[in-house]
Amino acid sequence: DQQVKQNSPSLSVQEGRISILNCDYTNSMFDYFLWYKKYPAEGPTFLISISSIKDKNEDGRFTVFLNKSAKHLSLHIVPSQPGDSAVYFCAASALGNQFYFGTGTSLTVIP
Amino acid sequence: DAGVIQSPRHEVTEMGQEVTLRCKPISGHDYLFWYRQTMMRGLELLIYFNNNVPIDDSGMPEDRFSAKMPNASFSTLKIQPSEPRDSAVYFCASSNRAATSDTQYFGPGTRLTVL
Repeated sequence: DQQVKQNSPSLSVQEGRISILNCDYTNSMFDYFLWYKKYPAEGPTFLISISSIKDKNEDGRFTVFLNKSAKHLSLHIVPSQPGDSAVYFCAASALGNQFYFGTGTSLTVIP
Repeated sequence: DAGVIQSPRHEVTEMGQEVTLRCKPISGHDYLFWYRQTMMRGLELLIYFNNNVPIDDSGMPEDRFSAKMPNASFSTLKIQPSEPRDSAVYFCASSNRAATSDTQYFGPGTRLTVL
């Protein structure tokens, strides 16, 4: 059973616009969340994280929002650039245990 | 640092054959993770080690899968016998703190095709 879900397999946005990638989870015990970015033929690389004590974390063009009541997090990329085209995975963990990953969203930024 | 190293990068084998995937973690990292990526289930954790000791293998799909970490710089994931449904990309990752307090560094993956 998928505890972390990314319901949009793909997303296309124009360069310069905002990209919003969504992630839902089912386990209310999750307290730490990560986003990873993956280019073809490479392993995922860490992008940004957020702890459940926060509702927002920002790093340059990337911002992650956490809505604990809705069990939802989102990744905003502003402005989107062609180099952002990749597969994005969200991941969650509870109380120091293993990470659970979503199925990924493939983002295409159109120049 | 060279990062996490995995070999082979691609493996094509026939059903019933034994497959061994290899991983060299980043030096100094004491956690090592094996993941499997499929379209349907995304990234699934198969097993992870701390200081060469298996901590949680509940993600290993069945007895055909086994993993070892004989020392801090080497781990293997073995599938015997392999089946077509094992076809996936297998990632190894390592980290130097507890599983959830630090990021994991992934290798480039091994794409396995079982015919």
